[in-house]
Amino acid sequence: SQKIEQNSEALNIQEGKTATLTCNYTNYSPAYLQWYRQDPGRGPVFLLLIRENEKEKRKERLKVTFDTTLKQSLFHITASQPADSATYLCALREGGGKLIFGQGTELSVKP
Amino acid sequence: DTAVSQTPKYLVTQMGNDKSIKCEQNLGHDTMYWYKQDSKKFLKIMFSYNNKELIINETVPNRFSPKSPDKAHLNLHINSLELGDSAVYFCASSQDGAGSYEQYFGPGTRLTVT
Repeated sequence: SQKIEQNSEALNIQEGKTATLTCNYTNYSPAYLQWYRQDPGRGPVFLLLIRENEKEKRKERLKVTFDTTLKQSLFHITASQPADSATYLCALREGGGKLIFGQGTELSVKP
Repeated sequence: DTAVSQTPKYLVTQMGNDKSIKCEQNLGHDTMYWYKQDSKKFLKIMFSYNNKELIINETVPNRFSPKSPDKAHLNLHINSLELGDSAVYFCASSQDGAGSYEQYFGPGTRLTVT
């Protein structure tokens, strides 16, 4: 079955810098890949969805890339702010339509 | 308006008890899910219902039984609770179950079994 790997170590960056988070998967390329944000004590919140035939997707300060050759998605937050501090989850669609989630990467943006 | 709501938010109970968690969505979605998030923060699918029909049933002990009285509600009943059931349980919904649409999550129910 599909395995997803996200940086398990927390990512600490300075306000204003670009945060880049990585999501690697092991098997077949999924038709859809999604990114979610989770704050402590809350449910995940959807951010972006990218399809396998899309190289890049943008939404305001967020950008997602999808490289089916490398089996990797990168999630970028430009001009990061302390309010961007959260855990970011990558999710892939598997057979039967279910989503498989990575363990998430905790981002901390320092003022 | 709350899109996906769950009750209760916290649930503390003793081993061997039976408990239920309720979930409701007002988004008009056809598909609803139950996820379990353990202490290591892994979010794992447990069940999925599409228009009241069970479509995903992961390897979950049969002590867990989902029930969907209508497509806006999906409840989770747990019998004979065990220590290992302690986790945060999230309900979610999406427009369909094909994985091509985003999922909307509830606030979670933190279950603690003592």
